[in-house]
Amino acid sequence: DIQMTQSPSSLSASVGDRVTITCRASQTINSYLNWYQQKPGEAPRLLIYAVSSLQSGVPSRFSGSGSGTYFTLTISSLQPEDFATYYCQQSFSNPRTFGQGTRLEIK
Amino acid sequence: QVQLVQSGAEVKKPGASVRVSCKASGYTFSDYYLHWVRQAPGQGLEWMGWINPNSGGTSYAQNFQGRVTMTRDTSVSTAYMDLSRLRSDDTAVYYCVRERYNSAYYLDVWGKGTTVTVSS
Repeated sequence: DIQMTQSPSSLSASVGDRVTITCRASQTINSYLNWYQQKPGEAPRLLIYAVSSLQSGVPSRFSGSGSGTYFTLTISSLQPEDFATYYCQQSFSNPRTFGQGTRLEIK
Repeated sequence: QVQLVQSGAEVKKPGASVRVSCKASGYTFSDYYLHWVRQAPGQGLEWMGWINPNSGGTSYAQNFQGRVTMTRDTSVSTAYMDLSRLRSDDTAVYYCVRERYNSAYYLDVWGKGTTVTVSS
């Protein structure tokens, strides 16, 4: 199985900050890397697919990059609605593993 | 609009089985794989498997092999996830999710989730 490791596990930041979350895969996954956002009590929401493609309706302050085994999610200027938990997921092979999540909290 | 509507919350005793349904609307049911993902209280997301609604073919995570069965009824655009021999650590929210492909496979439409509580 491919292991996905996110860092940090939690992060405190302020509105307007630029933040970056990293995700490492235990083996190469080409471009089969997606990011999801989840708010308490809600289902996850797709933000970015195939490393860097923004899902329809997602604000442009979200961006993704990376290749092979190292990937990042960047939020250029945090907004109040961005405080949530973020998960990466590989879709290169079964089982489709998720990272453990990064909880983004208000400082 | 594209929707996945899941069945309501369930409370089960250890050792019992549960069936969660997922009714798709707003798109051609057979055209997209459906995945099941669960989330235990306060925990992360755990992938359970997928079903190909067109063929009925399935793939399950090793953790659930022998206990999970995913099926579908194309006549009502509904997928089902059966989980047997329930344990307390199966208490979780279960999501059905549609998968698309565009340079990568990704989960673009999520159901609201079904809470399954396993308690004696």
